[in-house]
Amino acid sequence: DGGITQSPKYLFRKEGQNVTLSCEQNLNHDAMYWYRQDPGQGLRLIYYSQIVNDFQKGDIAEGYSVSREKKESFPLTVTSAQKNPTAFYLCASSGPGGHGYTFGSGTRLTVV
Amino acid sequence: GQSLEQPSEVTAVEGAIVQINCTYQTSGFYGLSWYQQHDGGAPTFLSYNALDGLEETGRFSSFLSRSDSYGYLLLQELQMKDSASYFCAVGDTGRRALTFGSGTRLQVQP
Repeated sequence: DGGITQSPKYLFRKEGQNVTLSCEQNLNHDAMYWYRQDPGQGLRLIYYSQIVNDFQKGDIAEGYSVSREKKESFPLTVTSAQKNPTAFYLCASSGPGGHGYTFGSGTRLTVV
Repeated sequence: GQSLEQPSEVTAVEGAIVQINCTYQTSGFYGLSWYQQHDGGAPTFLSYNALDGLEETGRFSSFLSRSDSYGYLLLQELQMKDSASYFCAVGDTGRRALTFGSGTRLQVQP
């Protein structure tokens, strides 16, 4: 079955560390997205990519970086510059039209 | 930029009908979507409106009025499993990525 795989499911980061969250899709979707969700809150856009080798900043890109070297993969790096990284991170993709997103199961990142 | 407003919580009883409203502001409207998210889970796509009117998908319907920058999600014959958070999201022609509202937590009571 096609879908989006995020790993790891849980991630613990020490102060000052960079960590990378994986997102892989086999839906043949061109567009991919990263969102952050804090408890009881909505989803905030970090980065998005409409095509391979191209990506744009969202509303809260500071302290994060991404790459899009392959259509299937859109990893997110949470750098030490992100002062409050503890959150639920969701990766999504969309096909033509761009409105029906398919989400991965998410990664819960905790700073220890 | 874009902004959306929706109620934070709604409570209803099993078998009833509930409406979740959403108002939005965007410079280049490109459709209103609705997503469901159960606690600890990922959002799942429910419906999409690009044009004015009602879209029906089983027990769920979604309505859009572009002149009023307003939409709603209607859930009929509520079931306990419908207890979840519901998010409206707006697309924008200037930025091809959805902006989500803060979500409405629906509690269905027996």
